[in-house]
Amino acid sequence: AQSVTQLDSQVPVFEEAPVELRCNYSSSVSVYLFWYVQYPNQGLQLLLKYLSGSTLVKGINGFEAEFNKSQTSFHLRKPSVHISDTAEYFCAVRLSYNTDKLIFGTGTRLQVFP
Amino acid sequence: DGGITQSPKYLFRKEGQNVTLSCEQNLNHDAMYWYRQDPGQGLRLIYYSQIVNDFQKGDIAEGYSVSREKKESFPLTVTSAQKNPTAFYLCASSLGGGELFFGEGSRLTVL
Repeated sequence: AQSVTQLDSQVPVFEEAPVELRCNYSSSVSVYLFWYVQYPNQGLQLLLKYLSGSTLVKGINGFEAEFNKSQTSFHLRKPSVHISDTAEYFCAVRLSYNTDKLIFGTGTRLQVFP
Repeated sequence: DGGITQSPKYLFRKEGQNVTLSCEQNLNHDAMYWYRQDPGQGLRLIYYSQIVNDFQKGDIAEGYSVSREKKESFPLTVTSAQKNPTAFYLCASSLGGGELFFGEGSRLTVL
């Protein structure tokens, strides 16, 4: 069965520093990959997605992610974070042939300090 | 503006009571979903529906029920059979297997 692992439950970082949030997935077939952001007591907002094509995907708010098929990873990066990036980040995967379900990781809490 | 509206945002319930959470979308999406969110556990799928008058159980359907009588609406009932209903509930929709669009969520607290 497919699964998603977010290795870090919390990532503290200072403002203007770079950050990487890690995501690994397990699947024997091709997948679609997503990163969502959630601010306190709100729903999830799509940051970026990989469906096919270029393995480097750029999203909103200056975030980007790279799909690495050999390492089954889809890590999220930002070269310089802002206080407003403090939020929960979720990685998700969907099998390319199955449109029913999106499987989510357990989330990474990004805390940006001044 | 198009989007997904969940209501109520906060809800308190006594043990043994059923409660229904509303989810309405005006995005003309075919598929709708209900997820439950608990701290440290991510999002877990409760039910989903790909077309009107049809729905399937997700990973944690026990103690919940849904209906899909209209394309725009997908209400979730949390029944008294749900052992631990206190959680944040998120409704979402999608068009043909693309990304999910989420509502703002409903926080249910059982007293």
